[in-house]
Parts: sequence; C-alpha cells; structure tokens
Amino acid sequence: DVKVTQSSRYLVKRTGEKVFLECVQDMDHENMFWYRQDPGLGLRLIYFSYDVKMKEKGDIPEGYSVSREKKERFSLILESASTNQTSMYLCASRRGANQPQHFGDGTRLSIL
Amino acid sequence: RKEVEQDPGPFNVPEGATVAFNCTYSNSASQSFFWYRQDCRKEPKLLMSVYSSGNEDGRFTAQLNRASQYISLLIRDSKLSDSATYLCVVNDDYKLSFGAGTTVTVRA
Repeated sequence: DVKVTQSSRYLVKRTGEKVFLECVQDMDHENMFWYRQDPGLGLRLIYFSYDVKMKEKGDIPEGYSVSREKKERFSLILESASTNQTSMYLCASRRGANQPQHFGDGTRLSIL
Repeated sequence: RKEVEQDPGPFNVPEGATVAFNCTYSNSASQSFFWYRQDCRKEPKLLMSVYSSGNEDGRFTAQLNRASQYISLLIRDSKLSDSATYLCVVNDDYKLSFGAGTTVTVRA
C-alpha cells in the first residue's frame, strides 16, 4: 500500500510566522502535490513537482513556496503566515502521468 | 466554466437503494478519470479508476461517455457506510482537475 505521511495532523501558528509542512511518500513516486481544501471551494492546487528539484505553480501559489530536495519528500512553506491561510492542507503523490493520486491524512492548520 | 462540475447533492437515499450521479468535464483531451470518496474531515481516498468500456468494483459501477464528456458513478444496494462525498477527478497529462464533490447520505 502507498503511504503518504504528513508531519502534523493539527498545527497552530501565529500571523507572520514561517511555517513548514512536510510530506513523505514511500513508493518512489515521481510526482508530488500540495493542495488546500476549504468548505465550498473544494481542492485547490498550490504547487506540484514532477521530479526531484522540479516544481511548478498550481492555481493558488501566492504566499507559498515548496522544496523537493529528495524524491520522497515535498515540503510546503508559508513564508509569512496570514489568517487567510487557515485551511486543511493535503499532500498527494502518484507514480506518473495518468496515474491516480494517493493522499496523506492532511494537516489542519490554524493561523491566529 | 469550471473544468469539472458535479451536482453537489445531497442525495439522501434509504439503505438498499441505488444512487447514481454524474460529473461533466470541459477538456475533450482529458485522458484518465477517477472517483474518490472523502469522509468528513478526512483525506480523499481512491475509490476506482474509470475505464473507457466502463467498469465495476463490487456494488460500484463507473462509466465514461467521451462523446458527451461525462463520467458517472452508480452505487447499488447502498450501505450506511457509503455515506460520504464523492469526488470526480479528470486528468489531462500532468494537470488534474477535481470536482467539488457530490454528497451521498444513506439512511437506515
């Protein structure tokens, strides 16, 4: 079974802090993704990565950056957290194009 | 126009009933299709891929209609545990588009 592990289930941070969300997958998948999910808005893609050291902006990259130094790990960084970044963050990975994604448990992030 | 659209529901059905719903997509070049289920406050989990000829997995049947650009999911003999939000996902090479989800509630 594919295992996608997110570092925290729940996280509370303060406005202006730099926040790191970590995601690790154990299936040697090429592609990794970060989404946020908000009520009524569904899943929105923040960033994705085709392969190590590669990254592409998704639909809502503003206020975020990512890092993929190793194939198994994809990090999402909130450069200066703001209250409108309070959300559920979901990491996903997949083997390659046209393959299904597998999601981590999600991180519920609250910015106070 | 959204790339993927779903009827949000909710579909409220009694146990044992059959429920079906569709998902339409706008990109005719889309290549692969999936159904996910998502329980409240949990992550989406892959339910099934959707193949051109249609496919079944137990009580679940998925269909693809490329001409009309929609996929469908049918659940037979509904169980209480089928209550969830069902997301359709449409894949065009590297870009994936998610529907907002269809909520199904199965009542005893």
